Amino acid sequence: DAKTTQPPSMDCAEGRAANLPCNHSTISGNEYVYWYRQIHSQGPQYIIHGLKNNETNEMASLIITEDRKSSTLILPHATLRDTAVYYCIVRSGNTGTASKLTFGTGTRLQVTL
Amino acid sequence: NAGVMQNPRHLVRRRGQEARLRCSPMKGHSHVYWYRQLPEEGLKFMVYLQKENIIDESGMPKERFSAEFPKEGPSILRIQQVVRGDSAAYFCASSPISSSADTQYFGPGTRLTVL
Repeated sequence: DAKTTQPPSMDCAEGRAANLPCNHSTISGNEYVYWYRQIHSQGPQYIIHGLKNNETNEMASLIITEDRKSSTLILPHATLRDTAVYYCIVRSGNTGTASKLTFGTGTRLQVTL
Repeated sequence: NAGVMQNPRHLVRRRGQEARLRCSPMKGHSHVYWYRQLPEEGLKFMVYLQKENIIDESGMPKERFSAEFPKEGPSILRIQQVVRGDSAAYFCASSPISSSADTQYFGPGTRLTVL
């Protein structure tokens, strides 16, 4: 799976949009971009994923550049409960041994009043 | 639809004892993954199982660790003769019968402490 690079930490004021960047310059054509977050020591929570097109769900939006070498996760109105470590993961669309998720160090998002 | 369930949530063992961690996947999910998170470290893949089959165990330590996912019942991660270095949070994830990009959903984890 392609390697991802994320800033180690970010701050965001409550109510503002949080934009979390991720670089994945070696991504290949059948690899998806997944975002998970881990709040304190809870189990990772799935947020969103995409292949080429931008995606939106009730939690967030995912913007993938046209060359697919980077992406941005957008939390439109951050709240204190969004404080967590956010992981950007590139994962093959193949099944079998390619199914595992490879977690990096992520971005620690701190939402403040 | 209940989420992924893991039990126990907390487990304390003395060195040399056995630890058994259980994972019940989401309803309709036949793929189970185990990950380990050592203190102050990231999550690391351990093993991927489908019903009655181990698909990928490339992240499992060669000794003392085993996993199964029987036809009936939960998936079990078994650690024999535990040592202090096994103290960690163990997370299970499940995914549905696969599409080409099946999303993994995680359970709350089992926190193992070895005294």
